[in-house]
Amino acid sequence: ILNVEQSPQSLHVQEGDSTNFTCSFPSSNFYALHWYRWETAKSPEALFVMTLNGDEKKKGRISATLNTKEGYSYLYIKGSQPEDSATYLCAFQGAAGNKLTFGGGTRVLVKP
Amino acid sequence: NAGVTQTPKFRILKIGQSMTLQCAQDMNHNYMYWYRQDPGMGLKLIYYSVGAGITDKGEVPNGYNVSRSTTEDFPLRLELAAPSQTSVYFCASSYSAAGGQETQYFGPGTRLLVL
Repeated sequence: ILNVEQSPQSLHVQEGDSTNFTCSFPSSNFYALHWYRWETAKSPEALFVMTLNGDEKKKGRISATLNTKEGYSYLYIKGSQPEDSATYLCAFQGAAGNKLTFGGGTRVLVKP
Repeated sequence: NAGVTQTPKFRILKIGQSMTLQCAQDMNHNYMYWYRQDPGMGLKLIYYSVGAGITDKGEVPNGYNVSRSTTEDFPLRLELAAPSQTSVYFCASSYSAAGGQETQYFGPGTRLLVL
């Protein structure tokens, strides 16, 4: 069983502040790392797919970095807004196939 | 495109009852998946399928069965419902070509309560 961990489990952020959180995954047999955004009462939506060591992806105020050698990815939210409140999931894709192993998620609550 | 659709949205079952959760996608995706999401936990893979007629177990398959007779449909069957199967179930699909990093598209979920 692959171990994909996200920390912290939850965090509260004041509106306008920036924040970041971590996804750690196995550093061997790496194929891709996926980030999803999951709003309450909705279904997860893809944010990024990252494949290469040193990859950086950006979408609006949200960005992510990838370190495959040490097995971690950071997701950053710059100038958090209430609409950024969601659970952010990372998912590891090994080289063997297409199954994704999800982390437990980081639940972000942005307070106005 | 409707994307990935799931029915029902919510269901209450008695212990020992059976039911089928329906999932359909209209994106011509070859891969389909069933996950369950328990409170405070991430998504656990129950079963997946790489194409019509082919299914395989995921991390938590016990108590469930699947079939994939068409590309579009991937129903999940609970034969003897147990309280431990109370969860939110998500169906997802993706298109896989050799060497691809496939984004999965999720349905809206089915909330199941077993009493």
